[in-house]
Amino acid sequence: DTAVSQTPKYLVTQMGNDKSIKCEQNLGHDTMYWYKQDSKKFLKIMFSYNNKELIINETVPNRFSPKSPDKAHLNLHINSLELGDSAVYFCASSQDWGTSGRSEQFFGPGTRLTVL
Amino acid sequence: ILNVEQSPQSLHVQEGDSTNFTCSFPSSNFYALHWYRWETAKSPEALFVMTLNGDEKKKGRISATLNTKEGYSYLYIKGSQPEDSATYLCASAHYSGGYQKVTFGIGTKLQVIP
Repeated sequence: DTAVSQTPKYLVTQMGNDKSIKCEQNLGHDTMYWYKQDSKKFLKIMFSYNNKELIINETVPNRFSPKSPDKAHLNLHINSLELGDSAVYFCASSQDWGTSGRSEQFFGPGTRLTVL
Repeated sequence: ILNVEQSPQSLHVQEGDSTNFTCSFPSSNFYALHWYRWETAKSPEALFVMTLNGDEKKKGRISATLNTKEGYSYLYIKGSQPEDSATYLCASAHYSGGYQKVTFGIGTKLQVIP
């Protein structure tokens, strides 16, 4: 039973298009995250949500808009895709916000986005 | 920008050798230190979360120590096996702007040669 799932696994699209990546966790966690794995393989935090509320927005261009319809889902919508958006995007969740720095994070399988 | 550094970035060891690698992080506003194991084509999986200076954690042949005063953590693997081949990520959680922010290092890529 998958704990954190993401769809799609691969996404190939043209520059200028709008696309979404979905994330769901069935762990009952309160906090969810989006990370971008950049060209140097760093995992960089993009957003963090706690109980559907945005907590962290790490100077990500406003073409990226996370949406959390409920605490089990955190979707990432990207407008006007650019070549530099090509990367692997990981969703993650952790147990609760108050101690989330001490809670291990559970990661999804990643979505490889390629912008042509 | 918080700097979490890991060294070495990669290493190769023979099966049966023991090895260790380092994670360095700022000691101010420290909250917790995470270690993750990331196998190729999979997702990172947590090994340890440590919070207190002097903490030591162990899982099988893998153990970790934490020094929050000087800002470093060591991960040790005893008697490396080919299945230990993976990238080992550390992540440091610090207070920032009223919340805890987790910053990942680039990882140490371990290859165990049979």
